[in-house]
Amino acid sequence: KNQVEQSPQSLIILEGKNCTLQCNYTVSPFSNLRWYKQDTGRGPVSLTIMTFSENTKSNGRYTATLDADTKQSSLHITASQLSDSASYICVVSVNSNSGYALNFGKGTSLLVTP
Amino acid sequence: DAGITQSPRHKVTETGTPVTLRCHQTENHRYMYWYRQDPGHGLRLIHYSYGVKDTDKGEVSDGYSVSRSKTEDFLLTLESATSSQTSVYFCATTRTEILGASYEQYFGPGTRLTVT
Repeated sequence: KNQVEQSPQSLIILEGKNCTLQCNYTVSPFSNLRWYKQDTGRGPVSLTIMTFSENTKSNGRYTATLDADTKQSSLHITASQLSDSASYICVVSVNSNSGYALNFGKGTSLLVTP
Repeated sequence: DAGITQSPRHKVTETGTPVTLRCHQTENHRYMYWYRQDPGHGLRLIHYSYGVKDTDKGEVSDGYSVSRSKTEDFLLTLESATSSQTSVYFCATTRTEILGASYEQYFGPGTRLTVT
């Protein structure tokens, strides 16, 4: 069964500090990897999408990296703000003839404190 | 949020009753999806649609049915609600084909359903 594992499960950091979230996957054949931010009580919102050939992608203070050889991705948040408090979800897409092929991680819950 | 609305936003219903959740989009996206989100699980696909009247099952489709009579509307029906269907339900849309493309997927605000 395809799997997407995220770590840590939860994280608390001080405002202004940096943090890195991890995503390891075993899905195959890989198509693309995306990171979503989900605020409490809201739907997920896409932060980045990376294909096999992309190693790094940034969206403001969010930078995602991808190592397709080791099947690992990270999301780095720089100079955290209180509004970064949310759940961050890693999603891996596979090429599949059966149709739908998105695999969701369980998310990392981030709390940024003053 | 790409013009996605869900209704109702909150619902409490009794075991055994039918329930219909509605997803409405204004972007003319071809693909629409229903997910459920539960603690300890990632988002799980219930059903999806790749066009008007074209639907297919996801990984947790038992006890659910869907219909899509117009591009903009995708309905999810719980035929006889059970307590295990207490969850938060999200609708999502994508503009283009789903296989191997770096498409943007947009989510609605969610519907919190409680089955007592």
